[in-house]
Amino acid sequence: ELQLVESGGDLVQPGGSLRLSCAASSFAFTGYWMHWVRQVPGKGLMWVSHVNTEGGTTYADSVKGRFTISRDNAKSTVYLQMNSLRVEDTAKYYCARGRVGGFDMWGQGTMVTVSS
Amino acid sequence: DIQMTQSPSTLSASVGDRVTITCRASQSINSWLAWYQQKPGKAPKLLIYNTSFLESGVPSRFSGSGSGTEFALTISSLQPDDFSTYFCQHWYGYTWTFGQGTKVEIK
Repeated sequence: ELQLVESGGDLVQPGGSLRLSCAASSFAFTGYWMHWVRQVPGKGLMWVSHVNTEGGTTYADSVKGRFTISRDNAKSTVYLQMNSLRVEDTAKYYCARGRVGGFDMWGQGTMVTVSS
Repeated sequence: DIQMTQSPSTLSASVGDRVTITCRASQSINSWLAWYQQKPGKAPKLLIYNTSFLESGVPSRFSGSGSGTEFALTISSLQPDDFSTYFCQHWYGYTWTFGQGTKVEIK
């Protein structure tokens, strides 16, 4: 079955770190850009970061310098290392498969809560 | 940065109604405009890509249009399953921006 499964969400204190994982299955992972998108419950979507097929990355300004996206093609997994976490980073984090025109596959999301 | 503004924020409609949601860009953009549907507690689902192309499996009552700074998602005859929140999304310079969302409610 085509799917993306996120994991790693947790409750963490401000200033802490967390690594999210997104495992892909049943498609040619190496051929796709991968993204992280977050959503505060009840609010809108915010694109966080992307990694292209060659490992090139971009980030939203609000996470640049704190978050790092990476991919392991051998494991069909994309990661989001989140450092210096802030209360405003609290959200559900989705990974999504990108192709020309849009994000055509999404995981179920993993919740990150930053609170003391 | 290009801002994407959707209107209305909330729309009340009845089954069978024709519904249009607008997404306005802060400056003229290319055709890399997508639309998503999201139901409560679920991940978004791609409906329309490149302004007007229907994603595989999406009912033909959904359509997209627009150019320049004004884009629209139209549902030709609203069905019970369509009561959801809809987001537009633009891609520019290897960053992606979502509109704030439009909730379609039952009148």
